[in-house]
Amino acid sequence: DSGVTQTPKHLITATGQRVTLRCSPRSGDLSVYWYQQSLDQGLQFLIQYYNGEERAKGNILERFSAQQFPDLHSELNLSSLELGDSALYFCASSVKGNDPTEAFFGQGTRLTVV
Amino acid sequence: GQSLEQPSEVTAVEGAIVQINCTYQTSGFYGLSWYQQHDGGAPTFLSYNALDGLEETGRFSSFLSRSDSYGYLLLQELQMKDSASYFCAVRDSQAGTALIFGKGTTLSVSS
Repeated sequence: DSGVTQTPKHLITATGQRVTLRCSPRSGDLSVYWYQQSLDQGLQFLIQYYNGEERAKGNILERFSAQQFPDLHSELNLSSLELGDSALYFCASSVKGNDPTEAFFGQGTRLTVV
Repeated sequence: GQSLEQPSEVTAVEGAIVQINCTYQTSGFYGLSWYQQHDGGAPTFLSYNALDGLEETGRFSSFLSRSDSYGYLLLQELQMKDSASYFCAVRDSQAGTALIFGKGTTLSVSS
């Protein structure tokens, strides 16, 4: 158990809908990272938050957004969902916010868009 | 920008040794990490090299050559449970402190 909690574990929704994925980082970790992993694809970095503020953006679509709350949990919002958004979404947190040598991943949320 | 290249698949038998190579290109280098992912599971940290040379952790070792922008993960005494995907990753200064991953190498260990 990495200490990173993601909910829900599975999510099935229809095209055009909006969903929210939730992540609670390890106790004391200030950085939260979101990744998308499609079938047979690597881990694509989406966005990073550090202590409540956006730190970096990767290949995140405009239909996607995220935020980190004062208690450091984070939510990833996916809207106007398309079939191609079906993927595993991972959240990770790091021990040190500025220089992580190890990131701890949650078990992921498997999103299926039908 | 950044890019990481690693083989897509590697096969080996139990007890053997396998090496998974990774070449990278990144603006600002802060070390090379390796992660293991079993099918559909959470990626887990294996090793990290910030400096040139070999780091050994049990059956797994990782090597880095910064001058060659190259590293490898060496797995010894392979076991069936080592069948998984292995990702190399770097931190790119343009992506904050986020790790940027290669596409992964699927290792299949047979008996």
